[in-house]
Amino acid sequence: EAGVAQSPRYKIIEKRQSVAFWCNPISGHATLYWYQQILGQGPKLLIQFQNNGVVDDSQLPKDRFSAERLKGVDSTLKIQPAKLEDSAVYLCASSLGFSMGKETQYFGPGTRLLVL
Amino acid sequence: GEDVEQSLFLSVREGDSSVINCTYTDSSSTYLYWYKQEPGAGLQLLTYIFSNMDMKQDQRLTVLLNKKDKHLSLRIADTQTGDSAIYFCAEEEGGADGLTFGKGTHLIIQP
Repeated sequence: EAGVAQSPRYKIIEKRQSVAFWCNPISGHATLYWYQQILGQGPKLLIQFQNNGVVDDSQLPKDRFSAERLKGVDSTLKIQPAKLEDSAVYLCASSLGFSMGKETQYFGPGTRLLVL
Repeated sequence: GEDVEQSLFLSVREGDSSVINCTYTDSSSTYLYWYKQEPGAGLQLLTYIFSNMDMKQDQRLTVLLNKKDKHLSLRIADTQTGDSAIYFCAEEEGGADGLTFGKGTHLIIQP
């Protein structure tokens, strides 16, 4: 079974530029998550989708971050404009999403963003 | 709000047992997880425990949960060099909610 795919793996941009990350979840997984992991910290949830609807985006900085999952499969996370403090690893995870008990989240390898 | 606390570093000798501790604040947590992250890699789920359990064993891994004290631990028996990584404790309220992670414990293996 293929895992969660993310691209690009690395990205270097200058502050005030825009950047987009892509995630392809495990086939059949209805729930998709984006996490931000700043160096030396644990991942922090940014947004959670159930199919193509947003379940939780309370920690997403909506003035500069946006995410979509138009067809309920792949997702993109965009930052516009980027700030220095956005330098982090952006992790995508997916789970079955049937809410019938334990939901194991499977993580992708992440996209490492460096903002100069 | 929710908070998960872990020690930042743990150093053990190869072959000894490692015990990584975690405390959490959300008493409504349904599941608690341990994830492993190796350098440059994503998060790998090691094990999890349901909140109505107090112990779970899986090969070299033993998870202990003290729900009264909101304390979770991960014991790795016969620690090997391949166990060197960052270990994250995480809690989930239930269903398909996002996880709240600790800052991670760096496990350092001494030869």
